Amino acid sequence: QLQLQESGPGLVKPSETLSLTCTVSGGSISSSSYYWGWIRQPPGKGLEWIGSIYYSGSTYYNPSLKSRVTISVDTSKNQFSLKLSSVTAADTAVYYCARQGQSIGYCSGGSCPNWFDPWGQGTLVTVSS
Amino acid sequence: EIVMTQSPATLSVSPGERATLSCRASQSVSSNLAWYQQKPGQAPRLLIYGASTRATGIPARFSGSGSGTEFTLTISSLQSEDFAVYYCQQYNNWPPRLTFGGGTKVEIK
Repeated sequence: QLQLQESGPGLVKPSETLSLTCTVSGGSISSSSYYWGWIRQPPGKGLEWIGSIYYSGSTYYNPSLKSRVTISVDTSKNQFSLKLSSVTAADTAVYYCARQGQSIGYCSGGSCPNWFDPWGQGTLVTVSS
Repeated sequence: EIVMTQSPATLSVSPGERATLSCRASQSVSSNLAWYQQKPGQAPRLLIYGASTRATGIPARFSGSGSGTEFTLTISSLQSEDFAVYYCQQYNNWPPRLTFGGGTKVEIK
């Protein structure tokens, strides 16, 4: 059974970089069938897609966060990571990692990520001095 | 950006009754739509993908329908464990820009 687990600091200072890692167990992150994504949820609010990565390193980011986000993959450790720079209080949220399937029909030149399943349990990151 | 609008924001339903949740897209997403259930303190769980295909292990009382811009999630007979927040998500963009609806909270009447 595939499981995902987020890890990283629960408190980050304003203007610094938020760094999280998602460790995948029960399956290989190098599978050609899946993408791997990050989603966040501010307290009491809805869900926001941050970005997705394929095992080859191909990435897609939410345009609203693109200038501050980097997602990377380490296939040797079966992990993928999120870095979000120049954080503010607005970045306070529960951060989730998840596996994604891939769709082909509407994707130019290849595949692109679709739904999220399963999800990690999530980790709360608070931005505060 | 494709904006997903869910209605109502809150739905009050008695156990055993039918619940109908709506999700509208600002432009067509074909059938590239998923539904999730989220309980307090838990991560979302995939219920439906492809607008109408139940995910593995999801009870038959959950059904999805629709295409284009109008979608519905129906829970045929609400059980106590179904009271939660439900989100829709589209995945029809190129380049990908995945967006979620604001959620519908299903509460006990």
